[in-house]
Amino acid sequence: EDKVVQSPLSLVVHEGDTVTLNCSYEVTNFRSLLWYKQEKKAPTFLFMLTSSGIEKKSGRLSSILDKKELFSILNITATQTGDSAVYLCAVENNNDMRFGAGTRLTVKP
Amino acid sequence: DAGITQSPRHKVTETGTPVTLRCHQTENHRYMYWYRQDPGHGLRLIHYSYGVKDTDKGEVSDGYSVSRSKTEDFLLTLESATSSQTSVYFCAISADSGNTIYFGEGSWLTVV
Repeated sequence: EDKVVQSPLSLVVHEGDTVTLNCSYEVTNFRSLLWYKQEKKAPTFLFMLTSSGIEKKSGRLSSILDKKELFSILNITATQTGDSAVYLCAVENNNDMRFGAGTRLTVKP
Repeated sequence: DAGITQSPRHKVTETGTPVTLRCHQTENHRYMYWYRQDPGHGLRLIHYSYGVKDTDKGEVSDGYSVSRSKTEDFLLTLESATSSQTSVYFCAISADSGNTIYFGEGSWLTVV
């Protein structure tokens, strides 16, 4: 059965720390892996990854995919309180998209 | 922000009553999706549509039906609501399969 597993489930850090969020998957007919940030409302798109080893970067956030080992990481450097959110990993195959349970990140001042 | 409107945003209903959630988009995207989000499960796909009158089941479709009579509207119906359907429901759209999915703001449904 297809599955997407995120770790850790929750994480508490202080401003300025660097965090790494993990997403592993077992999915048939893999097409892409996506990262979303969810604050109080709907998830907002961060990255889409389709190729191994190519880092995607946006400001302090970056992500990379390893299609051989079937995982992705999301890095956040110099964390800020505004980074506090649930980060969702999703894997797409054909017309279906499976989400992980999310990692709840809390950044303390 | 993608033009996605969900209604109602909040609803409390009794067990056994029918409920319909509406998703309206102004982006003319081909694909529309209904997800539910529950603690410990993340987002799970209920049904999706790949065109007018073209729909298919997702991971957790039991107890739900959908309809898409127009490109812009995708309806999710609970024929007879149960307490296990208490959840947050998100509508999402994408231009095509493989494109980024954009989410609506969610509909909070409580079945008592």
